[in-house]
Amino acid sequence: GIQVEQSPPDLILQEGANSTLRCNFSDSVNNLQWFHQNPWGQLINLFYIPSGTKQNGRLSATTVATERYSLLYISSSQTTDSGVYFCAVSGFSMRFGAGTRLTVKP
Amino acid sequence: NAGVTQTPKFQVLKTGQSMTLQCAQDMNHNSMYWYRQDPGMGLRLIYYSASEGTTDKGEVPNGYNVSRLNKREFSLRLESAAPSQTSVYFCASSAVSGTEAFFGQGTRLTVV
Repeated sequence: GIQVEQSPPDLILQEGANSTLRCNFSDSVNNLQWFHQNPWGQLINLFYIPSGTKQNGRLSATTVATERYSLLYISSSQTTDSGVYFCAVSGFSMRFGAGTRLTVKP
Repeated sequence: NAGVTQTPKFQVLKTGQSMTLQCAQDMNHNSMYWYRQDPGMGLRLIYYSASEGTTDKGEVPNGYNVSRLNKREFSLRLESAAPSQTSVYFCASSAVSGTEAFFGQGTRLTVV
């Protein structure tokens, strides 16, 4: 099956800093999504981005499908950005990476 | 428009007991999924239903059964719960398989 690797596994930032999270996948996919799991466990859709670049406020994402990776950019981080960020890819069904745990300190 | 709704939110079972987790979506989606999340890990697919009337095994199906009751509802049954099934269970749906998925709020299950 498709392998999904996320890096880094853990990231600690000061409020206001920028960060880049990476997702590598082992095979061609039809779909790629980024999720934020907040401290209450809720999974929040960030981006549905099989290819190209999207932006939503301080967050943006880029997927280069031909090179099998995606990047999530967080600018001017806030404490509310803390949590775990998951990349998930799918052909027919969705496979998740292990996540990047982000801690933003005030 | 509630999206994906799971019940219950929390459950404690004794080893050997059975229970059914319920999931319903109001987005008229064709595909539905059940995942489990263990501490420090990503989500792993248990079963999915690409469309009403079909179900298929995912990565970790052992010990579970599913029923796609109708287009809206997809239930997950544990026939004889084991401590290894202690986990957080998420239901999800998408318009068709492989498109953007939306998740419920999760069910935290503890088997003692």
